[in-house]
Amino acid sequence: EVQLVESGGGLVQPGGSLRLSCAASGFTFSKSWMTWVRQAPGKGLEWVANIKEDGSDKYYVDSVEGRFTISRDNAKNSLYLQMSSLRAEDTAVYYCTNWGNTWGFDYWGQGTLVTVSS
Amino acid sequence: QSALTQPRSVSGSPGQSVAISCTGTSSDVGGYNYVSWYQQHPGKAPKLIIYEVTKRPSGVPDRFSGSKSGNTASLTISGLQAEDEADYYCCSYAGSYTLVFGGGTKLTVL
Repeated sequence: EVQLVESGGGLVQPGGSLRLSCAASGFTFSKSWMTWVRQAPGKGLEWVANIKEDGSDKYYVDSVEGRFTISRDNAKNSLYLQMSSLRAEDTAVYYCTNWGNTWGFDYWGQGTLVTVSS
Repeated sequence: QSALTQPRSVSGSPGQSVAISCTGTSSDVGGYNYVSWYQQHPGKAPKLIIYEVTKRPSGVPDRFSGSKSGNTASLTISGLQAEDEADYYCCSYAGSYTLVFGGGTKLTVL
């Protein structure tokens, strides 16, 4: 059974930093592109970042470029999102998902809530 | 990286069919056959129901179908059931390994 389990969310002040983690199991993590998708409260889904199977290539939505860094550790089957210079508009549930051979997001975690507020 | 355009809401009675549109540009929807659709029930994670415009993952009922014409993709749900009431999102590949979602459509089963 595929499992994606996010952690690391919480309350952070504007300008602060936070690191999200995602533990993956049940599929060949090292052969999968991985993605972070977020959803602000009561709003729609937003693609945030992608990372290639070996971590060599990373892509970001314009609004987080330079502030967020996606990374992975294939030995630990783990995906990360380092977030800095956080803004109120970054408040959202952050989902870990794989970008599969379907060119869609096959599996999703339960999400972790990040709240940016003073 | 502008969001794809979806109607905010649609509705239908049990047994009827509804269609949800997803309009983008030639740089995303119109440029690639990599449109996917997601169903999201309240408080739950999204679920993939259509990929590569028309394909259904294993386990998704054939009541769900997808299509595309030009810069607009569509999701059609036939034989509406109460459990289909949810939010639906389209997503398209937008080149250079980036993706873009639609704003979402709330489906109400009357």
